[in-house]
Amino acid sequence: DVKVTQSSRYLVKRTGEKVFLECVQDMDHENMFWYRQDPGLGLRLIYFSYDVKMKEKGDIPEGYSVSREKKERFSLILESASTNQTSMYLCASSLNPLAGHLYEQYFGPGTRLTVT
Amino acid sequence: AQTVTQSQPEMSVQEAETVTLSCTYDTSENNYYLFWYKQPPSRQMILVIRQEAYKQQNATENRFSVNFQKAAKSFSLKISDSQLGDTAMYFCAFMKPPPRRGNKLTFGTGTQLKVEL
Repeated sequence: DVKVTQSSRYLVKRTGEKVFLECVQDMDHENMFWYRQDPGLGLRLIYFSYDVKMKEKGDIPEGYSVSREKKERFSLILESASTNQTSMYLCASSLNPLAGHLYEQYFGPGTRLTVT
Repeated sequence: AQTVTQSQPEMSVQEAETVTLSCTYDTSENNYYLFWYKQPPSRQMILVIRQEAYKQQNATENRFSVNFQKAAKSFSLKISDSQLGDTAMYFCAFMKPPPRRGNKLTFGTGTQLKVEL
């Protein structure tokens, strides 16, 4: 059974702290994604990775960085947390599409981050 | 850039009835993929149904079906025989066709559906 796990369901941090959100998938997926989910805005892509050590910016990368040292793990880093980064963060993973097959994204349970 | 619009922030339906959630999108691509994802309260997001733009036939998965109107750029989700377990946030999403690095999704803002007794 497919599994994407995130290190915390709830996290409270102070402004200026460095924050690490971890995501692990056990499906040998090439692609991993970080989204943030805000009411009225839906899901917005922060960063994604298509291979180990490879990454691309999504739609809202400002204030975030990522790390992918191993295929199964994708970390989101908030270098200096700010209150406007209070949000739900969702991780997802997927296989690369092959001819005739379009593989869905599998999501983790989310981390609700509060920055005070 | 692609945009996905869900104009109904909230909807409710009586158990066993049928409900339709709307989604429109904007793209200059001719081939692409569309998805509906479901996010139950405090639970993980899961895929409900997908549609390839080059396919004329509307996708169906049990009680879930879509009405895909390519010319109108419309992709609505119909839920038949609604059940309490259908209560969730529903997101419409768009994907450009592969091969592209990763397979990025562009999401709408979501429709919160409540199924009532």
